[in-house]
Amino acid sequence: DSGVTQTPKHLITATGQRVTLRCSPRSGDLSVYWYQQSLDQGLQFLIQYYNGEERAKGNILERFSAQQFPDLHSELNLSSLELGDSALYFCASSVDLGAGYGYTFGSGTRLTVV
Amino acid sequence: QQQVKQSPQSLIVQKGGISIINCAYENTAFDYFPWYQQFPGKGPALLIAIRPDVSEKKEGRFTISFNKSAKQFSLHIMDSQPGDSATYFCAATTSGSARQLTFGSGTQLTVLP
Repeated sequence: DSGVTQTPKHLITATGQRVTLRCSPRSGDLSVYWYQQSLDQGLQFLIQYYNGEERAKGNILERFSAQQFPDLHSELNLSSLELGDSALYFCASSVDLGAGYGYTFGSGTRLTVV
Repeated sequence: QQQVKQSPQSLIVQKGGISIINCAYENTAFDYFPWYQQFPGKGPALLIAIRPDVSEKKEGRFTISFNKSAKQFSLHIMDSQPGDSATYFCAATTSGSARQLTFGSGTQLTVLP
């Protein structure tokens, strides 16, 4: 167990729907990162939060949004889902703003859009 | 310029052999180069990392070699074991307030018993 908890582990939903993925970072970690892993795009950075504030955005679609709550857990909201959004979504956390000591990844949420 | 190119895509090695995975980058601002190991159904896990001020770092059977002038770095797994069979990702990041990782495309390693 890495200490980063992601729920749910699997999610199957229809096109056009909206889903919320949840991440609880490792105890003491203030930064949360979201990554998308697909077969054709590999691991792509989506967005980072640090202590409740958005700090960086990567290749995140406008249909996607995220937030980090006061208890430091984070949610990634995916709306108007398309078949191409099917992927593994990983959350990672780190104690500080950067990856200087490496991220700790969760086990991911596998999203299947049908 | 943000790309990290990784090769080979897949690698098959006999038990006890040496596994070598290579990565190359373009962005000279990258200053931290970690390697991640991912087993099926799991998230990537940090294996070993190096900064550009050293040319080699060794942790157990895992060694990173770094060539700053060539903008290349590689992972060597000595005495490869079947338990090492996994997907390996190189990555790179830059200094700054948000050190998101740029990942290579991954190498699927199979170590035959």
